[in-house]
Amino acid sequence: DTAVSQTPKYLVTQMGNDKSIKCEQNLGHDTMYWYKQDSKKFLKIMFSYNNKELIINETVPNRFSPKSPDKAHLNLHINSLELGDSAVYFCASSHGVSSSYEQYFGPGTRLTVT
Amino acid sequence: QKEVEQDPGPLSVPEGAIVSLNCTYSNSAFQYFMWYRQYSRKGPELLMYTYSSGNKEDGRFTAQVDKSSKYISLFIRDSQPSDSATYLCAMTLMEYGNKLVFGAGTILRVKS
Repeated sequence: DTAVSQTPKYLVTQMGNDKSIKCEQNLGHDTMYWYKQDSKKFLKIMFSYNNKELIINETVPNRFSPKSPDKAHLNLHINSLELGDSAVYFCASSHGVSSSYEQYFGPGTRLTVT
Repeated sequence: QKEVEQDPGPLSVPEGAIVSLNCTYSNSAFQYFMWYRQYSRKGPELLMYTYSSGNKEDGRFTAQVDKSSKYISLFIRDSQPSDSATYLCAMTLMEYGNKLVFGAGTILRVKS
């Protein structure tokens, strides 16, 4: 059973399009995260939700909007895609905010904007 | 200056060697220190975490934290080709809503 899953795994799209990435965890965790990993492997937090409440909102363009319909799901919608959005996006979860040191990552979504 | 500095490598060693991976950081308030391993085209996975200063051992892996020098290390003994991956250090304040701050990752290659 996959603990943290993401769909799609690969996404190739053109500039200006709108796209969504979905994440689901079956670990019963309360806290979920979105990260962006650029071509140099640098992993940076974008958002975090705890029990559907937004608790981390880094300096990210407002073209990016996360949504957590329930504790097990965290989606990321991106409007008006730009070339610089090309990266691997990882979803992660942890038992709670107090155990954020132990995060379980999904396999990543490789986004290519042309 | 980045909050967490990590040499990106690549670091290439023969099988059986002892590997030393390091990170330095600038924020003395960090309390939890983690090492994540990331295989190519996969998500990171937690290897070890340490709270505050000291050493922690798990099999072939030893994590060390020196808060006075703001320096953390991961040692891998008897390295194996299967250890070839990118190793990411991470740290956090562990306050509510606080984030993990990652290093850039070090690429390790263990040659058989």
